[in-house]
Amino acid sequence: AQSVTQLGSHVSVSEGALVLLRCNYSSSVPPYLFWYVQYPNQGLQLLLKYTSAATLVKGINGFEAEFKKSETSFHLTKPSAHMSDAAEYFCAVSTTPSGTYKYIFGTGTRLKVLA
Amino acid sequence: DAGVTQSPTHLIKTRGQQVTLRCSPKSGHDTVSWYQQALGQGPQFIFQYYEEEERQRGNFPDRFSGHQFPNYSSELNVNALLLGDSALYLCASSQNGQTKETQYFGPGTRLLVL
Repeated sequence: AQSVTQLGSHVSVSEGALVLLRCNYSSSVPPYLFWYVQYPNQGLQLLLKYTSAATLVKGINGFEAEFKKSETSFHLTKPSAHMSDAAEYFCAVSTTPSGTYKYIFGTGTRLKVLA
Repeated sequence: DAGVTQSPTHLIKTRGQQVTLRCSPKSGHDTVSWYQQALGQGPQFIFQYYEEEERQRGNFPDRFSGHQFPNYSSELNVNALLLGDSALYLCASSQNGQTKETQYFGPGTRLLVL
C-alpha cells in the first residue's frame, strides 16, 4: 500500500531564509509524487509534480523538489521565503496505471514565515 | 478558462439529514474525484467517477454516494449525516483519470453538521 509521511506539522522560517518541507513516501511501485499548497479557506493548488522524468522538479513560485529513490523522499525547498508563502503544504503520492487512480495525501505542514 | 467549480461554498445541516454537493470539472476534463478534508488533516479519497461510473472507492461507508452526468459534472450525496461528516469536501478533475495526470482542485464545500 502507498503512504506519505510529512515530518513536522508546523514549520517556521524567517523571511528570506531557506524553506525545507519534508516528505517521505512508501510505494511498492514507481510513484508519481505531487506537492500542493492550500491557502486559508481555499482549495489545493499544484506546486509541482514528479512523474519519472527529471529527478529535480521545478515548480511555481520558486519552489522545487528532488526525488530521491534511495531515501524514498521528495522534499520541497525554496531558497528564500516570502511572507506570501505562509500556507499549508501537502505532499501526495499516486501510483502507476496498474494500481489505483487516487491520490494519497500526507497530513500537511503549516508554514509560518516570520518578518 | 473556468477551473473546477463547486457549490455551495458552505452548508449547515443537522444529524440524520441528507446533503448533495455539486462539482463542475475544468474544461476538457472527464474525470472527477471527491475528497474529504477534516480539520487539520490531509484530504482523504472518497471515490472517482469516469464515464459516468464509479471507478475507484476509498474507505467510506455506503452513506456516501455519487453520480456523474453526461457533461462530466458530478454530485456527491451523503445520507444520514453524522457529526463526524463535518469537513471540507473537495472535488478534483483530471483527464482520463490517469494517475500521472494532474488533478485540479476546486475551492471546496465546507459542511457543518450540528
